[in-house]
Amino acid sequence: DAGVIQSPRHEVTEMGQEVTLRCKPISGHNSLFWYRQTMMRGLELLIYFNNNVPIDDSGMPEDRFSAKMPNASFSTLKIQPSEPRDSAVYFCASSFELGGRPYNEQFFGPGTRLTVL
Amino acid sequence: DQQVKQNSPSLSVQEGRISILNCDYTNSMFDYFLWYKKYPAEGPTFLISISSIKDKNEDGRFTVFLNKSAKHLSLHIVPSQPGDSAVYFCAASAIRAGGGADGLTFGKGTHLIIQP
Repeated sequence: DAGVIQSPRHEVTEMGQEVTLRCKPISGHNSLFWYRQTMMRGLELLIYFNNNVPIDDSGMPEDRFSAKMPNASFSTLKIQPSEPRDSAVYFCASSFELGGRPYNEQFFGPGTRLTVL
Repeated sequence: DQQVKQNSPSLSVQEGRISILNCDYTNSMFDYFLWYKKYPAEGPTFLISISSIKDKNEDGRFTVFLNKSAKHLSLHIVPSQPGDSAVYFCAASAIRAGGGADGLTFGKGTHLIIQP
């Protein structure tokens, strides 16, 4: 049973370059979340989608960040242009929301470690 | 401003003893609380959760206690085992109108070390 898949696992790039992180949620899940982990701020929510629609993007740091979910099995998080302060581990998580249930567990991927030089 | 706080960055406990990890929150809209466990180079893994209508939830060696009036929750692990050594994150969420939950707000984590 495949969990949440993220690629690449590691990315090293130079300041100013475009970076695209990819996520494949667990099949059948209808909610997808992007988180970022840094030493200073810990794990913070960037954006989440429900049924491929962005619900809350208030955590996206600035316009350089964008996220898409073109279909139920794929999402991207793009940074353009990248800056050294974007260096962090980016996690994707997915869950299945069933109407009437208060909460469903989020399953996390292994993360993408991004280093911007 | 941190809405979920874990004030102990690390905790060392002897194998077989009880581990108690603490978490405080400030946002009164939070009504669902979770604990995640994380090993290096892996994503967080769900451990146990509790709804705000309860004050205790138990799953094997793990028990979570919620004190709503104090806005405090704790995770008890009894007995502690070497495999429990990991970073533990407290997280909170608010339930959206119509069902489903918002994304999680995490604490900064507590590194639990189980000494043999």
